[in-house]
Amino acid sequence: QSVLTQPPSASGTPGQRVTISCSGSSSNIGSNTVNWYQQLPGTAPKLLIYSNNQRPSGIPDRFSGSKSGTSASLAISGLQSDDEADYYCAIWDDSLNGPGVFGGGTKLTVL
Amino acid sequence: EVQLLESGGGLVQPGGSLRLSCAVYGVTFSSYAMSWVRQAPGKGLEWVSAISNSGGATYYADSGKGRFTISRDNSKNTVWLQMNSLRAEDTAVFYCAKGMTTVPWSAFDIWGQGTMVTVSS
Repeated sequence: QSVLTQPPSASGTPGQRVTISCSGSSSNIGSNTVNWYQQLPGTAPKLLIYSNNQRPSGIPDRFSGSKSGTSASLAISGLQSDDEADYYCAIWDDSLNGPGVFGGGTKLTVL
Repeated sequence: EVQLLESGGGLVQPGGSLRLSCAVYGVTFSSYAMSWVRQAPGKGLEWVSAISNSGGATYYADSGKGRFTISRDNSKNTVWLQMNSLRAEDTAVFYCAKGMTTVPWSAFDIWGQGTMVTVSS
């Protein structure tokens, strides 16, 4: 059971905007920045968003991140079939003995 | 182009040991923290361990504490994960991941292709 809670699934139709939530606590999301990773089927994860809302080079601006209090969100606009993947939020939680934490992951289906 | 190439995975009996390696190319290795992340079959990502750019600070998930040791050699551009007393529940794909900065809590911007570890008799 992760300290970061994500919905197990999400879905949308092409062109739609979807959001994926990541809920934590004051010791993790409330105190540190959130990163988001995309894992396409059968591939290694890829960094999508870092420091709450920053996009690495090459990530389209259809992907955006935000944080408020102890929750964070990943938004995907103009949904495409290629966006069908697993999405994970991640954080460093100093209060834990093992401080690196991933959320449980959200499987996004493009209908 | 930055590349991370893992090796050392395989089939091992419960209680056995494995040493995973991750060779890093195309970047000033000594400037970045490194981490290991694993994924059990059909499951989500689990952070395993991290090491600062100098190797002076190491961190472990509770699941590997006392059994796993992370280390690095900046002259060889390589990070290792020594895994002892392996259990069936350690069966997973192990990914090596490069941090964006010197500190272990930075985001992982480059990932290796993963190496499979299977613990079974």
